[in-house]
Amino acid sequence: DQQVKQNSPSLSVQEGRISILNCDYTNSMFDYFLWYKKYPAEGPTFLISISSIKDKNEDGRFTVFLNKSAKHLSLHIVPSQPGDSAVYFCAATSGSGNTGKLIFGQGTTLQVKP
Amino acid sequence: DAEITQSPRHKITETGRQVTLACHQTWNHNNMFWYRQDLGHGLRLIHYSYGVQDTNKGEVSDGYSVSRSNTEDLPLTLESAASSQTSVYFCASSEGTSYGYTFGSGTRLTVV
Repeated sequence: DQQVKQNSPSLSVQEGRISILNCDYTNSMFDYFLWYKKYPAEGPTFLISISSIKDKNEDGRFTVFLNKSAKHLSLHIVPSQPGDSAVYFCAATSGSGNTGKLIFGQGTTLQVKP
Repeated sequence: DAEITQSPRHKITETGRQVTLACHQTWNHNNMFWYRQDLGHGLRLIHYSYGVQDTNKGEVSDGYSVSRSNTEDLPLTLESAASSQTSVYFCASSEGTSYGYTFGSGTRLTVV
């Protein structure tokens, strides 16, 4: 049973436009959420996170929104740049982030066209 | 600089052989994890450790084992490699998740 789901395997956007990546979760015990970015032949790298006590967290061009009632989070990238082309993984954990164990989604491949 | 390294980067092995993938970190992190990445499944947790002598099973642990004899290393062993274990394996370490994991560059394992 997939506890964290990214239902869109791929997304293509034009440079300068907004990219919106979506993630759904089923486990109501999850209280901390993260996004990772992965380039080919490299390990994933941490991008941004959000605690369940918040509904929004912003870091430069990246904003994560959390809708707890819908068990849904999204990552907005504005403006999108060609260097943002990568696989994006959503991840979730419980225990306010202290347990260390992350459950990942399937990933969404983002292509930003010049 | 602190780092996390995996070796080898690529490995081809035969069905039934025992294989060990190495993971070494110099962050002095207590938490270490092994994941496998497969198309359509994302990253799935194999085993994890919260400290020396501590190991725990993840969601896809069958056919794999780990041991933690020191803080720096968490080797992953495939007891008898199967074609279904062909995958890319990632090791990660952390001190809690508030700042996320630090991942290694991965090991691509092919079982023929």
